[in-house]
Amino acid sequence: DAKTTQPPSMDCAEGRAANLPCNHSTISGNEYVYWYRQIHSQGPQYIIHGLKNNETNEMASLIITEDRKSSTLILPHATLRDTAVYYCIVYIPPRSGGYQKVTFGTGTKLQVIP
Amino acid sequence: DAGVIQSPRHEVTEMGQEVTLRCKPISGHDYLFWYRQTMMRGLELLIYFNNNVPIDDSGMPEDRFSAKMPNASFSTLKIQPSEPRDSAVYFCASSHAPGLAGTDTQYFGPGTRLTVL
Repeated sequence: DAKTTQPPSMDCAEGRAANLPCNHSTISGNEYVYWYRQIHSQGPQYIIHGLKNNETNEMASLIITEDRKSSTLILPHATLRDTAVYYCIVYIPPRSGGYQKVTFGTGTKLQVIP
Repeated sequence: DAGVIQSPRHEVTEMGQEVTLRCKPISGHDYLFWYRQTMMRGLELLIYFNNNVPIDDSGMPEDRFSAKMPNASFSTLKIQPSEPRDSAVYFCASSHAPGLAGTDTQYFGPGTRLTVL
C-alpha cells in the first residue's frame, strides 16, 4: 500500500510560489516526512524533511498539518530550474529505532512555466 | 569529491545477453543502494549494502538479478539473462547511514539507462 499520495503533475508560473501537496493519512508517530526532487536525467536530490514542526531551509519550506496527515512543500519563488519530479516520502530514520525500505513512488511532476 | 560515479551511462543490449552495471560510491560512505526507475513503478529500491555486505535484497525482482560489492569503492549490478522488461534507468546511491537526511542523506549517481531489445 502506498504510504503517500501526490498529484501526478502540476504547473506553476515562474516567480510564483509552488505549493506541492502530499497526503500521508496513515503516518505513524515516529515517521518523518521527507522531500526529494529529481531533475530530468539526474538522480534524486534531498530538499527538506520534518517530523511535526514546519521547517525552512535555503531551498524550500515544509508545512505539516497539526494532525500530520498531510504536508505541503513550498518553493517560494519557482524558477525554470525547479522543473522536476518531487517525491514525498514517509520514513522512520534508523536513528529513531526503525527500519523500513525507502519507497520513492512516482511523485509529482512540476512544470515551471515562463 | 566527484560524487557517485556510474558506468556506463547508456547500455543497449539484446534479450538474453548479460548486462553489468557499475558504481563507485562517495569515499567514506558506508552504505550503497541500487534503485530501478520505470514510468510505471517509479523509483524502487532493489538492494543495499552496509560495509560491503548486502543487508536487504528483498527488492531484487528475481534470480536473474545479482549485486556484489567486493570492496568499499566498487559495486556491480548484474542481469543475466536480460529481458526487455528490464529496460529502465538504474541508479546507485551512497550515504553515511541508511536514512534520508542530514548525515544520512543519500547521494545519487547520474544513472544508467538500460535498453533491452
